[in-house]
Amino acid sequence: DIQMTQSPSSLSASVGDRVTITCQASQDIRNYLNWYQQKPGKAPKLLIYDASNMEIGVPSRFSGGRSATNYTFTISSLQPEDTGTYYCQQYDHVSELTFGGGTKVEIK
Amino acid sequence: QVQLEQSGAEVKKPGASVKVSCKVSGHTLTELPMHWVRQAPGKGLEWMGGFDPEDGAAIYAQKFQGRVAMTEDTSTDTAYMELRSLRSEDTAIYYCATYITMAGIFDFWGQGSLVTVSS
Repeated sequence: DIQMTQSPSSLSASVGDRVTITCQASQDIRNYLNWYQQKPGKAPKLLIYDASNMEIGVPSRFSGGRSATNYTFTISSLQPEDTGTYYCQQYDHVSELTFGGGTKVEIK
Repeated sequence: QVQLEQSGAEVKKPGASVKVSCKVSGHTLTELPMHWVRQAPGKGLEWMGGFDPEDGAAIYAQKFQGRVAMTEDTSTDTAYMELRSLRSEDTAIYYCATYITMAGIFDFWGQGSLVTVSS
């Protein structure tokens, strides 16, 4: 199975701060990685697909990138409405889709 | 617009089975590969399995093989997920979600069905 190690598991930052979340894949997943945001009591919502492509309607302060097997998700200027939990998800093989462990983002 | 309406909360005893339903509206089930993802209380997302549109067969995460069955009733546009031999660690919210295979995206999600396993 492909393992996705996501870090940190939680973070607290101030409004306006730059926030970065990382997902490390246990093997090459060829940019087949998406990022979701989940609010309490709600289903996840897609933000970024194929590592760096923004879903329509997603604010431009969200972005995704890659360096080798490390994938990053960045909020360039944290806003109060960005609180929630963020998950990466790889889809290199449809028979073994996996999510990262999640990162809970809070406002300091 | 696609909407997924899931069945209500269930309480089951250890060793029992549960069957969760997911009714599709706004589209036909045959054109929407359906997958299932669960989330234990306070925990992360866990993919359980779904349908591969290449051959229409269900594929399951290794962890659930032998214990889960995913089926579809195309006459009612309803998908089902049955989990057998329940244990306390199966207590979770179970989501159905449509999956865009080429993009690897979980697109539309149901509201979730809470399954509680308790003696």
